[in-house]
Amino acid sequence: KQEVTQIPAALSVPEGENLVLNCSFTDSAIYNLQWFRQDPGKGLTSLLLIQSSQREQTSGRLNASLDKSSGRSTLYIAASQPGDSATYLCAVRPRGDYKLSFGAGTTVTVRA
Amino acid sequence: EAQVTQNPRYLITVTGKKLTVTCSQNMNHEYMSWYRQDPGLGLRQIYYSMNVEVTDKGDVPEGYKVSRKEKRNFPLILESPSPNQTSLYFCASSPIDSILDSPLHFGNGTRLTVT
Repeated sequence: KQEVTQIPAALSVPEGENLVLNCSFTDSAIYNLQWFRQDPGKGLTSLLLIQSSQREQTSGRLNASLDKSSGRSTLYIAASQPGDSATYLCAVRPRGDYKLSFGAGTTVTVRA
Repeated sequence: EAQVTQNPRYLITVTGKKLTVTCSQNMNHEYMSWYRQDPGLGLRQIYYSMNVEVTDKGDVPEGYKVSRKEKRNFPLILESPSPNQTSLYFCASSPIDSILDSPLHFGNGTRLTVT
């Protein structure tokens, strides 16, 4: 059974600092990995989706890397802003399965 | 606007009183799913549906029922709620032809408290 872990559970940084969020998974036989953002009182918004054949994916200030062999993905957010404060979740889709396995998330606070 | 709509947003009820949480999407998606989110546990799938009249259990289906009579609607039914079903619930949808590669579209969540 796929286990997805996100450490730390919470992170607080000053504005302008680069954010590094970690996601690890136990089974490397994945189809893709997604990063989501969750704001209080809102649903999850997809940020980036990385296919198993890709090493990284970029969108604006966000960059996600994937190392399947070691079971790790990292989400980098450059030059953080208070508006980046949210909970970030990663989810792994196994090969041959529609189901996503979610991590518990990292709650980020960017201090102005 | 393309969206997944859940109602109600907040619900407080008592043990044993049947309730339904509605979910509706306007994107003509075949795939719909219910998740619950609990502190420290991430999202866990309750039930999912690949199309009308096709539903299947997820990881934590006990105590829940669903139906899919129309493509746009996927209600979650708690026949006899218990306090351990206090949680934040999310509905999500996706087109079936690109389900493996498309991100899920989520509703804004329903916070349920069972006393």
